[in-house]
Amino acid sequence: DAKTTQPPSMDCAEGRAANLPCNHSTISGNEYVYWYRQIHSQGPQYIIHGLKNNETNEMASLIITEDRKSSTLILPHATLRDTAVYYCIVCLSNNDMRFGAGTRLTVKP
Amino acid sequence: DAGVIQSPRHEVTEMGQEVTLRCKPISGHNSLFWYRQTMMRGLELLIYFNNNVPIDDSGMPEDRFSAKMPNASFSTLKIQPSEPRDSAVYFCASNLMDGVATNEKLFFGSGTQLSVL
Repeated sequence: DAKTTQPPSMDCAEGRAANLPCNHSTISGNEYVYWYRQIHSQGPQYIIHGLKNNETNEMASLIITEDRKSSTLILPHATLRDTAVYYCIVCLSNNDMRFGAGTRLTVKP
Repeated sequence: DAGVIQSPRHEVTEMGQEVTLRCKPISGHNSLFWYRQTMMRGLELLIYFNNNVPIDDSGMPEDRFSAKMPNASFSTLKIQPSEPRDSAVYFCASNLMDGVATNEKLFFGSGTQLSVL
């Protein structure tokens, strides 16, 4: 019962922006969009989350379309250390955080 | 803060043995989550606690699995008896649930790699 659809893999050149898309066409009005990432052999790491407005923090920017049916995570200047699996999750709260398959991002020199 | 601390980092055991995984959440956090990750099924939520009380254990695979949180700074996940299909990485996560949206983020530990032979 995946609520999100992400491409299985993407490549990005080091130093360039990485734009990771996510479709969540069945999102309800009070569900948040969360992004986490998992670097190999580590636990998932929180990146950013938002409800309606675009959000930015020290790690990334989150762009949510006006109809909220899709979003894009932007890593402005990707480095090799950003190589990871990125998960887009739609949920009401952390109590219902279900991870899908995610997008495997490979940053190449 | 040291973050969420899990032990052991690796556990190798034989089928039928009891396994206990441990987790120390971040100080001040009031919710704790246990996840399991396998190649086949990805990351699955097993159970979560709020203020040391189990709230939702619908993800616990079967009666062989049990979890406890005797106090705010410690939780265990026990498998008895263990089976080879329990081999996975088990993650613990914690967060502060206070109704403030900016606090709604999980902090994960480094996980316990369990191998049941």
